[in-house]
Amino acid sequence: QKEVEQDPGPLSVPEGAIVSLNCTYSNSAFQYFMWYRQYSRKGPELLMYTYSSGNKEDGRFTAQVDKSSKYISLFIRDSQPSDSATYLCAMKGQGAQKLVFGQGTRLTINP
Amino acid sequence: DVKVTQSSRYLVKRTGEKVFLECVQDMDHENMFWYRQDPGLGLRLIYFSYDVKMKEKGDIPEGYSVSREKKERFSLILESASTNQTSMYLCAITSLYGYTFGSGTRLTVV
Repeated sequence: QKEVEQDPGPLSVPEGAIVSLNCTYSNSAFQYFMWYRQYSRKGPELLMYTYSSGNKEDGRFTAQVDKSSKYISLFIRDSQPSDSATYLCAMKGQGAQKLVFGQGTRLTINP
Repeated sequence: DVKVTQSSRYLVKRTGEKVFLECVQDMDHENMFWYRQDPGLGLRLIYFSYDVKMKEKGDIPEGYSVSREKKERFSLILESASTNQTSMYLCAITSLYGYTFGSGTRLTVV
């Protein structure tokens, strides 16, 4: 079993829809949780960063962490075609230098 | 903002060639990483370095080596390129929040 599980998709939704992307993990030591967005043929870029449990909102994006369920989510409201990308979850424990990544979910927003 | 520069965006090399992929950062970060990314397999760690001349194997080091002679530069070396090393290669550094990645090098071995 992988330490971090993420459905690779692909996921295709119409413009304006609410998108929910999710990851589950098995290591209870993880405390730092990230979402990266990767456009085609580019490197991943940090989208959201959360420490421990709770919600964090940034514009149309909301990151949720539920440590009791070992489950993290990224919500995209009013999705736009420009949100079409691969979304990777990542996480690490206290003091760790290496991130553990999910496989990435390929998302397409259709105009 | 921290900048991570990978010298080539696209490379085509022949089987058996020795290939150098270069990564340069513009800050004084200790930790640098090389990943490869393949469809269906996600990101896989090849090597990482936490200081000059220091290196550690990642999950898939076979067929690769690395060099870090200066803090700002971390090189990935394919000793004898093979077609199964065709991939997207990503360099990353540890930053305040997770990693900062380079733009990637798409390597094709023919």
